[in-house]
Amino acid sequence: DTAVSQTPKYLVTQMGNDKSIKCEQNLGHDTMYWYKQDSKKFLKIMFSYNNKELIINETVPNRFSPKSPDKAHLNLHINSLELGDSAVYFCATALALGYEQYFGPGTRLTVT
Amino acid sequence: AQTVTQSQPEMSVQEAETVTLSCTYDTSESDYYLFWYKQPPSRQMILVIRQEAYKQQNATENRFSVNFQKAAKSFSLKISDSQLGDAAMYFCAFINAGNMLTFGGGTRLMVKP
Repeated sequence: DTAVSQTPKYLVTQMGNDKSIKCEQNLGHDTMYWYKQDSKKFLKIMFSYNNKELIINETVPNRFSPKSPDKAHLNLHINSLELGDSAVYFCATALALGYEQYFGPGTRLTVT
Repeated sequence: AQTVTQSQPEMSVQEAETVTLSCTYDTSESDYYLFWYKQPPSRQMILVIRQEAYKQQNATENRFSVNFQKAAKSFSLKISDSQLGDAAMYFCAFINAGNMLTFGGGTRLMVKP
């Protein structure tokens, strides 16, 4: 069984649309994250979610919002998509502070 | 704010040889963790090795080892007996008490047969 899964793997959509990327983990971890990897491979954290406490990277536009229906899921919802949102988005989980983060396979988002 | 710098955008190594990837970081904290992640063409992020800042002993994991110099804020990765499957992007990463992981810009490693 895949420890951290993301759906969809690829997402192509038009500017202005609203879309969601789903993340599910079966590791029982308390902490989940979303990262954005741009075209230059640079990885940047977007959100950290730990026991219902959300920590937001202040540089992330408020068009992005994480939603956690339960402990095993942290979905990423994006409103009014822009061309600059095109990137690969990674979900990750960790048992606790300092423990390694397990990454999902990534979702390549292309905004046209 | 924490920063992580990987000064080598690309490196190449001959198969079976040894290569060292550099990483420096900047922080005012004394308690933190450092990681090296590997990202092959499949795009999956894979943990290679982990180091606790309070430990003086360098972490090792089979052919992978680190040279952790806390005073110099340096955390290099050494890959011994390089294999074709080691070809990938390698990211150095730092996590602090706030539990936010900061990545370096990555080093693309090419392995020549």
